[in-house]
Amino acid sequence: AQSVTQPDIHITVSEGASLELRCNYSYGATPYLFWYVQSPGQGLQLLLKYFSGDTLVQGIKGFEAEFKRSQSSFNLRKPSVHWSDAAEYFCAVAPRGNNDMRFGAGTRLTVKP
Amino acid sequence: EAGVVQSPRYKIIEKKQPVAFWCNPISGHNTLYWYLQNLGQGPELLIRYENEEAVDDSQLPKDRFSAERLKGVDSTLKIQPAELGDSAVYLCASSLRTEGTQYFGPGTRLLVL
Repeated sequence: AQSVTQPDIHITVSEGASLELRCNYSYGATPYLFWYVQSPGQGLQLLLKYFSGDTLVQGIKGFEAEFKRSQSSFNLRKPSVHWSDAAEYFCAVAPRGNNDMRFGAGTRLTVKP
Repeated sequence: EAGVVQSPRYKIIEKKQPVAFWCNPISGHNTLYWYLQNLGQGPELLIRYENEEAVDDSQLPKDRFSAERLKGVDSTLKIQPAELGDSAVYLCASSLRTEGTQYFGPGTRLLVL
């Protein structure tokens, strides 16, 4: 069955520390991959996406993600977290040529001063 | 360029009352989505439109939920009658049919008392 897993429900990091949020998927073929961020009371904002090509994808706000086919993963990273990065992060996947997007349950990020 | 617009942003109603949500997608986007987001969870698709045609409404509870997208632009999602369990955030998103990146509105937060 198709699925998206974000193993970490909640992560706390100190401001200035590095961050990695995990995302694993189970699909028949490599899907399109996305990361979205949701601040409290807001909708989802696209951080980055992977369709094909270079497996290291750069996004907005200093985020990047790496697609690893062998591990069926698409982990999100940031080298130095800012207090404004505190939010909920969602990994999403969609089959190629199909707009049926599935979301993970999300990872809530808390940033300590 | 204007993003996806949703109204109202917040709605409080008593159970058994009707409620309607409105969405205006990004100009030129022919695919429109309505999602349900429960607290602490990722969005779940309710219905997807390609222009004015509902192409996936398998997760829409049709006994009480209805949606329409007249003229293939704006869309309305209705609940009648509302139940306590309908309290959630209702998100609207849009995309180009040929490119699967979805862009989200700010959502409508519904509280059913």
